[in-house]
Amino acid sequence: DAKTTQPNSMESNEEEPVHLPCNHSTISGTDYIHWYRQLPSQGPEYVIHGLTSNVNNRMASLAIAEDRKSSTLILHRATLRDAAVYYCILSGGGSNYKLTFGKGTLLTVNP
Amino acid sequence: EPEVTQTPSHQVTQMGQEVILRCVPISNHLYFYWYRQILGQKVEFLVSFYNNEISEKSEIFDDQFSVERPDGSNFTLKIRSTKLEDSAMYFCASSDDPAGTGETQYFGPGTRLLVL
Repeated sequence: DAKTTQPNSMESNEEEPVHLPCNHSTISGTDYIHWYRQLPSQGPEYVIHGLTSNVNNRMASLAIAEDRKSSTLILHRATLRDAAVYYCILSGGGSNYKLTFGKGTLLTVNP
Repeated sequence: EPEVTQTPSHQVTQMGQEVILRCVPISNHLYFYWYRQILGQKVEFLVSFYNNEISEKSEIFDDQFSVERPDGSNFTLKIRSTKLEDSAMYFCASSDDPAGTGETQYFGPGTRLLVL
């Protein structure tokens, strides 16, 4: 599985934007970039995904570098409920359907 | 909004006993998964299931584990003879489009299994 690298932890203040980076220098052409998060004592939750172009949804934005070797998850205004572990995961098409979770980034949001 | 549900939320069992963890995936989904997370560790893939057969399984998913879709709604994980190291949170997930526009899986709240 293609590997991703994320900071172990990040801190933000409430109502400020948060940029969570992810490096994936060995990404293949068919790999999608997925972001999931896991709130305390809950199951992982889908956040956003993309292939080449930047993506926006109601939860977040995903900025993908032109060479696709890195990406950034952007939370436009962090709230206390956004405190979670954020996982950047590469998942290809074809027969590889599983998600391989790393340690992720623990986001702390300060009031 | 449709969601994946899991029962029970907690299960305590004695080592060597069989347990069955139950999941109800989102109704129009066709791809089903089990993951587990040992306390303080990463979420680990166990098995994927499509068209009534296993698509892929990890090294963790040995002969003690089995999965089944006994009817049109439930998806179960059975552990035949539990070991202490099976103590973990078990998550079920489902997906409707794993190879189309990307792998979007929807996870249940989990079953916390404690083996004594």
